[in-house]
Amino acid sequence: DAGVIQSPRHEVTEMGQEVTLRCKPISGHDYLFWYRQTMMRGLELLIYFNNNVPIDDSGMPEDRFSAKMPNASFSTLKIQPSEPRDSAVYFCASSLGAGNSAGGELFFGEGSRLTVL
Amino acid sequence: SQKIEQNSEALNIQEGKTATLTCNYTNYSPAYLQWYRQDPGRGPVFLLLIRENEKEKRKERLKVTFDTTLKQSLFHITASQPADSATYLCAPREGNTPLVFGKGTRLSVIA
Repeated sequence: DAGVIQSPRHEVTEMGQEVTLRCKPISGHDYLFWYRQTMMRGLELLIYFNNNVPIDDSGMPEDRFSAKMPNASFSTLKIQPSEPRDSAVYFCASSLGAGNSAGGELFFGEGSRLTVL
Repeated sequence: SQKIEQNSEALNIQEGKTATLTCNYTNYSPAYLQWYRQDPGRGPVFLLLIRENEKEKRKERLKVTFDTTLKQSLFHITASQPADSATYLCAPREGNTPLVFGKGTRLSVIA
């Protein structure tokens, strides 16, 4: 398996533009997570899905952020409109099970570095 | 509120020495704790998991301890090498809740 695949790896956009980040999880994994990483705040959980259903989106900072998982092999994180403070690295991760089952270790993608000017 | 603290932002040690990284947590009752390694420009990679009923776990040159009384985990790298230079993240976990990470400690091993 190729691992978790994210695109784009880098995105530079202007304030007000719509940004869509994409993720393909590892085949067979039933959990998918979106995290955001900045120097100031570290890795923050934004939202996670179980079997394509959003379970907890309390980490999504504002209504400008939305995430979907239309099927088991694809998820998107959308920011509309984007603002400079959204600049960060966005990671997608997947896991097989959660909590006590198999330890729920996460497999991360390489991240999408977003710069909003 | 729940809090995870990793001892320092950066740690510099000489090659061949043992590196010890600390992870303290408050207002958590984790069933287990995970450690990850992150290289610049890459995603975190899972290293080790230790459960609450395990005092110590080893994997090659890595050793992790877990003290639920002190609410602390220690991560040791023995005979450290420059290739061990990276940021190390800890993540205590309660049951089925998603992983929440500390900010990490950036380790530099100097040859």
